[in-house]
Amino acid sequence: GAGVSQTPSNKVTEKGKYVELRCDPISGHTALYWYRQSLGQGPEFLIYFQGTGAADDSGLPNDRFFAVRPEGSVSTLKIQRTERGDSAVYLCASSTSTNTEAFFGQGTRLTVV
Amino acid sequence: SQELEQSPQSLIVQEGKNLTINCTSSKTLYGLYWYKQKYGEGLIFLMMLQKGGEEKSHEKITAKLDEKKQQSSLHITASQPSHAGIYLCGADKMGYQKVTFGTGTKLQVIP
Repeated sequence: GAGVSQTPSNKVTEKGKYVELRCDPISGHTALYWYRQSLGQGPEFLIYFQGTGAADDSGLPNDRFFAVRPEGSVSTLKIQRTERGDSAVYLCASSTSTNTEAFFGQGTRLTVV
Repeated sequence: SQELEQSPQSLIVQEGKNLTINCTSSKTLYGLYWYKQKYGEGLIFLMMLQKGGEEKSHEKITAKLDEKKQQSSLHITASQPSHAGIYLCGADKMGYQKVTFGTGTKLQVIP
């Protein structure tokens, strides 16, 4: 596709359940970022991948959050034992290198009920 | 930690008017990004500034980074309804887009 694709666009889950959010970056982009945006706030950095490896995961809030990018393209953000406070829009972005424009996906709106 | 303050938090202007949004950092910036976001959508990249005193323009939007690299302004000339949205500034401290964002400025343009 032409842009960064995130699926699903909306996800409603019950408290305590496990969820996976998927990000398809722009083909050829080596850098991939996950952000989380709560209502009325700017996005918060979660994790940054360069290729297959997580170069910086300092933004992950706790060990319930985990992300992978096994082949250096698609990435999955995994949240275990979801809590109501996890409700937010999860944004993915990709770029050709670390210091160039990042292209954002439309986000996945996660609601934990 | 890097903190960014944006002002104003919200702005309503008449179509055709000029406006300025400010972004102030508590620390020296490595890079400063401006993004635009419409409700329910992802962020659209506007500009990136790295050098003190740098100024960039795209169509009717101009952004500047001051010499000390701690403040940036975004100026829109002759605003149009299509300019409406949330403008976010973001600070890159690490050189790899680990960006800390401000809380945004919500712009409404009245026809």
